[in-house]
Amino acid sequence: DAGVTQSPTHLIKTRGQQVTLRCSPKSGHDTVSWYQQALGQGPQFIFQYYEEEERQRGNFPDRFSGHQFPNYSSELNVNALLLGDSALYLCASRRRGAQGYTFGSGTRLTVV
Amino acid sequence: QQPVQSPQAVILREGEDAVINCSSSKALYSVHWYRQKHGEAPVFLMILLKGGEQKGHEKISASFNEKKQQSSLYLTASQLSYSGTYFCGTERQAGTALIFGKGTTLSVSS
Repeated sequence: DAGVTQSPTHLIKTRGQQVTLRCSPKSGHDTVSWYQQALGQGPQFIFQYYEEEERQRGNFPDRFSGHQFPNYSSELNVNALLLGDSALYLCASRRRGAQGYTFGSGTRLTVV
Repeated sequence: QQPVQSPQAVILREGEDAVINCSSSKALYSVHWYRQKHGEAPVFLMILLKGGEQKGHEKISASFNEKKQQSSLYLTASQLSYSGTYFCGTERQAGTALIFGKGTTLSVSS
């Protein structure tokens, strides 16, 4: 049974560019959350999607946006990239009402 | 609001015990515990729901004091495989965002 799949695994972008990260949740999971993890820090909550709607959002600017598709997969878009956006982006999924989240291995984004 | 974890780091020898604490200033629905090894994704360990129950499996267990909004993770007779960074995550209401603490790094040596 495949877990959470994220793509790409690594990405290098130039300041000012735009990026799209993708996530396929674990089979049977309908809720997807995105996190940003800087080196040596805990995951910071970006937003959560359920039934194709953004249900909750963390303290991130509007440059960060997302989408959830009918098959529960999700995308994270970041516009006008800043050097400070360099981080590991984690996608986590679970079935609503269930217990723990399953995390993907993340996308390592480097902005130069 | 981000939960506060303590201590920041723990160094153990195999067989020793450790306790990691997680506290919140807000009322919680649940507390999650995850372990992340270097270069890997966080892995779910267990969830504590309000009600103060204690859960665990083998030598890793946890408790949740609803009155204090505080959870503790207990690692007994530590093994080398326990090394990693432990994060608590808190949920204010069912189905809402899981907010993580800054983590506690555990190093177990032989």
